[in-house]
Amino acid sequence: DGGITQSPKYLFRKEGQNVTLSCEQNLNHDAMYWYRQDPGQGLRLIYYSQIVNDFQKGDIAEGYSVSREKKESFPLTVTSAQKNPTAFYLCASSLRVRTEAFFGQGTRLTVV
Amino acid sequence: GQQLNQSPQSMFIQEGEDVSMNCTSSSIFNTWLWYKQDPGEGPVLLIALYKAGELTSNGRLTAQFGITRKDSFLNISASIPSDVGIYFCAGQGNSGYALNFGKGTSLLVTP
Repeated sequence: DGGITQSPKYLFRKEGQNVTLSCEQNLNHDAMYWYRQDPGQGLRLIYYSQIVNDFQKGDIAEGYSVSREKKESFPLTVTSAQKNPTAFYLCASSLRVRTEAFFGQGTRLTVV
Repeated sequence: GQQLNQSPQSMFIQEGEDVSMNCTSSSIFNTWLWYKQDPGEGPVLLIALYKAGELTSNGRLTAQFGITRKDSFLNISASIPSDVGIYFCAGQGNSGYALNFGKGTSLLVTP
């Protein structure tokens, strides 16, 4: 099955701990993205990557880090520096930048 | 990113009614996309628009890319209960490399 896989679906962490969210795609897409969604808000861009070994900050990158070592994978680390990490995180990919993006199922992170 | 204004914020309608929602931008966009999101799931792409004035249908859904390139509309005809969800518009202009999203229109359909 072709698609974008995010794991886990639900994640709980204690305050002050770093946590890494997984995103894998087998669509052979060049571009990948991480968005954050809060209740009543639209999707806000955290980071994006146009190509392997390259990534750019989005609108709300503070407290997050990413890597893009393989075309298929774009993990997101939520660090302890992120002041309000509890949210729904969505990964997306597109054939290249400026084309339609397809989303994974999301990871709901709860920090207690 | 650029701010999109999506309206209405929510709609509560009866099954069989038609629905209209729209999205406006303060700047010109080259691409308009419409997504639907079910609770706890990722958004699913419904319609993609690439040319000003373009009108595209997907079953009971019809979307248009505004002539000014600063707006887009989504219509749903003869709504059914499974249309329930949040509908997002997304657009992309000449600056930046990722999509900008509206805050969504929450649609509730009663049988």
